[in-house]
Amino acid sequence: DAKTTQPNSMESNEEEPVHLPCNHSTISGTDYIHWYRQLPSQGPEYVIHGLTSNVNNRMASLAIAEDRKSSTLILHRATLRDAAVYYCILRLSSNDYKLSFGAGTTVTVRA
Amino acid sequence: EPEVTQTPSHQVTQMGQEVILRCVPISNHLYFYWYRQILGQKVEFLVSFYNNEISEKSEIFDDQFSVERPDGSNFTLKIRSTKLEDSAMYFCASSSWDTQYFGPGTRLTVL
Repeated sequence: DAKTTQPNSMESNEEEPVHLPCNHSTISGTDYIHWYRQLPSQGPEYVIHGLTSNVNNRMASLAIAEDRKSSTLILHRATLRDAAVYYCILRLSSNDYKLSFGAGTTVTVRA
Repeated sequence: EPEVTQTPSHQVTQMGQEVILRCVPISNHLYFYWYRQILGQKVEFLVSFYNNEISEKSEIFDDQFSVERPDGSNFTLKIRSTKLEDSAMYFCASSSWDTQYFGPGTRLTVL
């Protein structure tokens, strides 16, 4: 599996944006960039994914560098409920491929 | 909104005993997965299942583990003879295409 690198932790204030970086310099042309998060004592939860273009959904935005070697997950207005571990995962475009979780970035949101 | 459910939420067993962890995937999904997370560690892939057979398994998924879809709705993980090191959270997931949806997990404690 192609490897991703994320900071161990980030802190944010409530109502402020959070930018979570992910480096994936060995990404191949067919790898999708997926983000999942895991709230405390819960199972992982899908956040967003993309291939080349920036993506937006109700939870977050995903900004993908032009060379695709890095990406940034953007939480536009952090809430206390966004405190979680965020995982950046590369995955082939298929419905039958495992997710390979790393350590992720632990996001702390201050009230 | 449809969700993946898992039972029991917590299972305590004696070393050497058999356990069966149960999952009800989202109804129109065709791809099913088991992951585990030992306390304080990352989420690890165990097995994926499609069309009534295992499509991929990890090194963790040895002969002590088996999966089954006994009817049209349940997906089970069986551990034949539990070891202390099997103590972990076990997450079931299902997908129809790119996005995997995870259940809340079963905490397995082996004494």
